[in-house]
Amino acid sequence: DVKVTQSSRYLVKRTGEKVFLECVQDMDHENMFWYRQDPGLGLRLIYFSYDVKMKEKGDIPEGYSVSREKKERFSLILESASTNQTSMYLCASNDRGLSEAFFGQGTRLTVV
Amino acid sequence: DQQVKQNSPSLSVQEGRISILNCDYTNSMFDYFLWYKKYPAEGPTFLISISSIKDKNEDGRFTVFLNKSAKHLSLHIVPSQPGDSAVYFCAASADTGGFKTIFGAGTRLFVKA
Repeated sequence: DVKVTQSSRYLVKRTGEKVFLECVQDMDHENMFWYRQDPGLGLRLIYFSYDVKMKEKGDIPEGYSVSREKKERFSLILESASTNQTSMYLCASNDRGLSEAFFGQGTRLTVV
Repeated sequence: DQQVKQNSPSLSVQEGRISILNCDYTNSMFDYFLWYKKYPAEGPTFLISISSIKDKNEDGRFTVFLNKSAKHLSLHIVPSQPGDSAVYFCAASADTGGFKTIFGAGTRLFVKA
């Protein structure tokens, strides 16, 4: 059974803190993604990675960075959390050449 | 500028009847379309897809129709079941790698028993 696991279901952080969201997949997928989901806006792509140490900006990368040191792990970093980064964060992965993605269960981040 | 639009935030249907969820897109370069289903406190799960070379794809109770000239696709669920109650996201991509898949805002489906 394929699995994408996000390290936390819920997080509460203070404004200005550095925040790490971790994601691990066990399917040996090449591609990994970070999205945020907000009401009325759907899922918006923050960053993606198509290989170890490779990363590309998505549609809303401002305020975020990512790290992919191992194929199975993709981390999202909020350098200095702000209240407008309060959201549901979703990690996903897929095989090269396929578009269907497998999602983690999501991390609901609240920045106070 | 939303390239993928789901204009109905919610839809309520009686159990056993047909559910029709609609999606419009603006980018004619999109060549692959997907529907995902999301339950509360879970990540989205892939439901069904369609390539732009087809106009219909069926999988059990789920059928997706694509009208390229109208830039419109729809998801039909027949018969609807209470377990189908979820948020449904329409998504579109212009490549097969899924790098730039664009999602709609979602439609919340309520199936009443």
